[in-house]
Amino acid sequence: IAGITQAPTSQILAAGRRMTLRCTQDMRHNAMYWYRQDLGLGLRLIHYSNTAGTTGKGEVPDGYSVSRANTDDFPLTLASAVPSQTSVYFCASGTGLDTGELFFGEGSRLTVL
Amino acid sequence: GQNIDQPTEMTATEGAIVQINCTYQTSGFNGLFWYQQHAGEAPTFLSYNVLDGLEEKGRFSSFLSRSKGYSYLLLKELQMKDSASYLCAVRDSNYQLIWGAGTKLIIKP
Repeated sequence: IAGITQAPTSQILAAGRRMTLRCTQDMRHNAMYWYRQDLGLGLRLIHYSNTAGTTGKGEVPDGYSVSRANTDDFPLTLASAVPSQTSVYFCASGTGLDTGELFFGEGSRLTVL
Repeated sequence: GQNIDQPTEMTATEGAIVQINCTYQTSGFNGLFWYQQHAGEAPTFLSYNVLDGLEEKGRFSSFLSRSKGYSYLLLKELQMKDSASYLCAVRDSNYQLIWGAGTKLIIKP
């Protein structure tokens, strides 16, 4: 089934540990995004990539890094996790900047203790 | 700053009609989106408006007034499965989506 896959679904992590959230899409979409969703707040953009080989910073990039080595994969890394990074993380993809629909992964629930 | 406002929560009755409003102030405008998100699940696309007026898609319609910075999502013939959060998002001049916090819609029998 075509779509966008995230892993892990859920993770509990000690503060200070390094963590990579994986995201893979098989729709050949150029644009990919990482959002975090916190209670009472809208989705906030962490990082994005308009095409393979390029990345950009979103609204809340501090403490996170991304890479886009190919079209399909867009991993998000927390170099040294802190409790404020406890959140639900969504990866999304779209055909390009000026297109409408974004397709979201099922989310990764991360708890940093 | 950029801001998207929508009600936190609304309640409606099965079979009825509900209108969820969204007002926005953003740096530029390149379209407004509505997404549905069931609890514990990913957001899914509902509608897209870039020009003023009403877009209808089955039981759901979305309206946009760019001069007023205003949109609404209209849901007709409500079903229990429509219980979800409805997210309004605006694409700004940098082609990034600015999201509202969402409106939790509770449907009662």
